[in-house]
Amino acid sequence: AQSVSQHNHHVILSEAASLELGCNYSYGGTVNLFWYVQYPGQHLQLLLKYFSGDPLVKGIKGFEAEFIKSKFSFNLRKPSVQWSDTAEYFCAVKNSGTYKYIFGTGTRLKVLA
Amino acid sequence: GAVVSQHPSWVICKSGTSVKIECRSLDFQATTMFWYRQFPKQSLMLMATSNEGSKATYEQGVEKDKFLINHASLTLSTLTVTSAHPEDSSFYICSARPGPDTGELFFGEGSRLTVL
Repeated sequence: AQSVSQHNHHVILSEAASLELGCNYSYGGTVNLFWYVQYPGQHLQLLLKYFSGDPLVKGIKGFEAEFIKSKFSFNLRKPSVQWSDTAEYFCAVKNSGTYKYIFGTGTRLKVLA
Repeated sequence: GAVVSQHPSWVICKSGTSVKIECRSLDFQATTMFWYRQFPKQSLMLMATSNEGSKATYEQGVEKDKFLINHASLTLSTLTVTSAHPEDSSFYICSARPGPDTGELFFGEGSRLTVL
């Protein structure tokens, strides 16, 4: 069965530190990949997505993610985090051509001012 | 981005009663809506896929008679938790897919159900 694994459940960083959140999935076919963010008290919002093309995807607010097919990974990065990046981050995968999203367990990021 | 609204945001009910949660796409037509359930410290688990005008498709292990889903229009889907029990207490989130496939889902703010 398809699954998505996020290795870091809780991450605490100081402002200006670099961020990398891991995401691995299990599926052998063509997939579409997403990172969603949920700020405290708000809806889930799309940060970035990968469908095809350049495996390095840039999203909003300075986030980027790299799709490494051989490693079944789609790690999220940001060179310098801000206090306002405090949120929960979810990696999601769906089979290309379907709408069934599989979410990871989420990573709670806390950025200390 | 597109807006999806859920109502109510939170609800407390007695065991044995039924609760209805609404999910509306406010500024777009959603041919497909999805209902998720989130347990504390766990991921969003897909419960069912709701297509306008047809029966919902439930995921394995989800009781269709317990969680009734109706998608009567392109902007409204409802989830009714029937004969609720304390173990149904959870955070329920809906999402909607706009007509042309951008690959992006838009999420509601979620509804927290507490069954006493």
